[in-house]
Amino acid sequence: ELKVEQNPLFLSMQEGKNYTIYCNYSTTSDRLYWYRQDPGKSLESLFVLLSNGAVKQEGRLMASLDTKARLSTLHITAAVHDLSATYFCAVDLADKIIFGKGTRLHILP
Amino acid sequence: SQTIHQWPATLVQPVGSPLSLECTVEGTSNPNLYWYRQAAGRGLQLLFYSVGIGQISSEVPQNLSASRPQDRQFILSSKKLLLSDSGFYLCAWSADRGRFFGPGTRLTVL
Repeated sequence: ELKVEQNPLFLSMQEGKNYTIYCNYSTTSDRLYWYRQDPGKSLESLFVLLSNGAVKQEGRLMASLDTKARLSTLHITAAVHDLSATYFCAVDLADKIIFGKGTRLHILP
Repeated sequence: SQTIHQWPATLVQPVGSPLSLECTVEGTSNPNLYWYRQAAGRGLQLLFYSVGIGQISSEVPQNLSASRPQDRQFILSSKKLLLSDSGFYLCAWSADRGRFFGPGTRLTVL
């Protein structure tokens, strides 16, 4: 059974700081997604990582994928309050995707 | 461009009542479609997925069912709702560049 584990599950940090969210998964996959969810809203696609070594950046967020280690990271640089949300990673198994439990990020002004 | 619609946006239903949630996709053909449920403060649970008309795969045993009567239509149903069916229901479709979600239906069962 595929397991997708995110950590931390909750993160409170100060504006201007850097931090990394980790996503480990237990089976072979070379496609992984990161989503953002604001309270009461649907999921917004942030990054699609399609191969080993993929790195994508958008603003203060950067995501990477290491398929050999079965690990993806979402790095936040110089956090701002607007980035407060829940972030999910999801592993693609072709016919379905499996989500981590999400990391609730709270950025303090 | 592709668009995914869900309705209703919110729904309050009594225990034991039936349910029908609808999802439609525009701008693509023969998409893979998915139903997910998110309980309050929790992650996403895959309920059903479909690779084509009339083809439904169920991930968890429960009192919900799904149907795909048309290529771009996916319906989630129940004959009798339970309290535990409350949650945020999300429909999604897949493309080479990822999985994309509809706006969701928030269901409260009282």
